[in-house]
Amino acid sequence: EVQLLESGGDLVQPGGSLRLSCAASGFPFNNYYMSWVRQAPGKGLEWVSSINPSGGVTYYPGSVKGRFTISRDNSMNTLYLQTNSLGVEDTAVYYCATGYKNMGGYWGQGTLVTVSS
Amino acid sequence: DVVVTQSPLSLPVSLGQPASISCGSSQSLVHSDGNTYLSWFQQRPGQSPRRLMYKVSNRDSGVPDRFSGSGSGTDFTLKISTVEAEDVGVYYCMQGTHWPRTFGQGTKVEIK
Repeated sequence: EVQLLESGGDLVQPGGSLRLSCAASGFPFNNYYMSWVRQAPGKGLEWVSSINPSGGVTYYPGSVKGRFTISRDNSMNTLYLQTNSLGVEDTAVYYCATGYKNMGGYWGQGTLVTVSS
Repeated sequence: DVVVTQSPLSLPVSLGQPASISCGSSQSLVHSDGNTYLSWFQQRPGQSPRRLMYKVSNRDSGVPDRFSGSGSGTDFTLKISTVEAEDVGVYYCMQGTHWPRTFGQGTKVEIK
């Protein structure tokens, strides 16, 4: 059974940082592109980042480029998202998901990041 | 960025009746590899999103066959042949052809 389990969400002050993790199991993690998608409270879905299977190629939208860094540890079957210079607009549930073109074959349960003073 | 626009944003439907959601993109979603990367997702209240369709019309495993996807280029449709109570939720389309990936605003399906 495929499982994606996010962790690391927390309450953080504006300007702060958090590292989110996504532990994967039940599929050959090192063969898959992986992505992060977020959802602000009561709002729609927003793609945040994607990474290729080896971890050597990464993709970001303009809203997070330069502040967020996606990475992976294939030996630990874990995906990461380092988030820096957080603003209130980054408050959201962050989901990890498989894929990048046909994104979202599998999703985690999400982890909540709240940016507030 | 490619703008993805859904309509309607709210869709009250009676049980057993059909439903249809439209999704339009500001650019063609035909990729240089020849595929069209348009996916549909369902998000039930309080749950993570679930993919229903990929590459326009390919149904994911476990998705009931009352769901169907169609379209090409810039215009796409998700149809539910007969709405059931478990279909309540928000439906999103997403394009996976261009960077950045973009989602539609979401269509809220509710029982009338």
